[in-house]
Amino acid sequence: KNEVEQSPQNLTAQEGEFITINCSYSVGISALHWLQQHPGGGIVSLFMLSSGKKKHGRLIATINIQEKHSSLHITASHPRDSAVYICAVEGNTDKLIFGTGTRLQVFP
Amino acid sequence: EAGVAQSPRYKIIEKRQSVAFWCNPISGHATLYWYQQILGQGPKLLIQFQNNGVVDDSQLPKDRFSAERLKGVDSTLKIQPAKLEDSAVYLCASSFGLTWGEQFFGPGTRLTVL
Repeated sequence: KNEVEQSPQNLTAQEGEFITINCSYSVGISALHWLQQHPGGGIVSLFMLSSGKKKHGRLIATINIQEKHSSLHITASHPRDSAVYICAVEGNTDKLIFGTGTRLQVFP
Repeated sequence: EAGVAQSPRYKIIEKRQSVAFWCNPISGHATLYWYQQILGQGPKLLIQFQNNGVVDDSQLPKDRFSAERLKGVDSTLKIQPAKLEDSAVYLCASSFGLTWGEQFFGPGTRLTVL
């Protein structure tokens, strides 16, 4: 079993829909990252959080430390949001442990 | 602020050939990471540098992979000789802190081994 599990693996949505991507982890962490990877390989860091909730534009990330769970929400989704969203956690060794990603496609 | 630079962006080689990738991190970032990302998987850490010293290279296949970060700035990752299973995107990232902190990723180098 992977230390970081994401669901769903694949997600399709119509433009304007509210999207939720989930991440569960089994190790103790100091921080959790949400990353966005577009075709071509480049990765952009969206959020780094260790508690509570963060918001940036249409993106919201939450984390529940007790339940070892985080969610990434996208409001009013748009085709340009189509990408792979990766959850990664910083464990006690300061190494990032990555999930396998959620592939999102938003259709107009 | 300039981001993490990598070159080349794409490389196609035949198995048993050698290849090298270059990374220039964000200015002032002490920590540099090389990741290997095979299609459909999350990135896997190959090596982590702190300034010009190696912090973690436990997942680096040392019989064929090598990396260096001379002067604690730029870094090169070399594969010699390449195997088919080395086909992947090689991502470089850097962070300011020496322990935990936000990592900034480069665009990656997509390697295809034929």
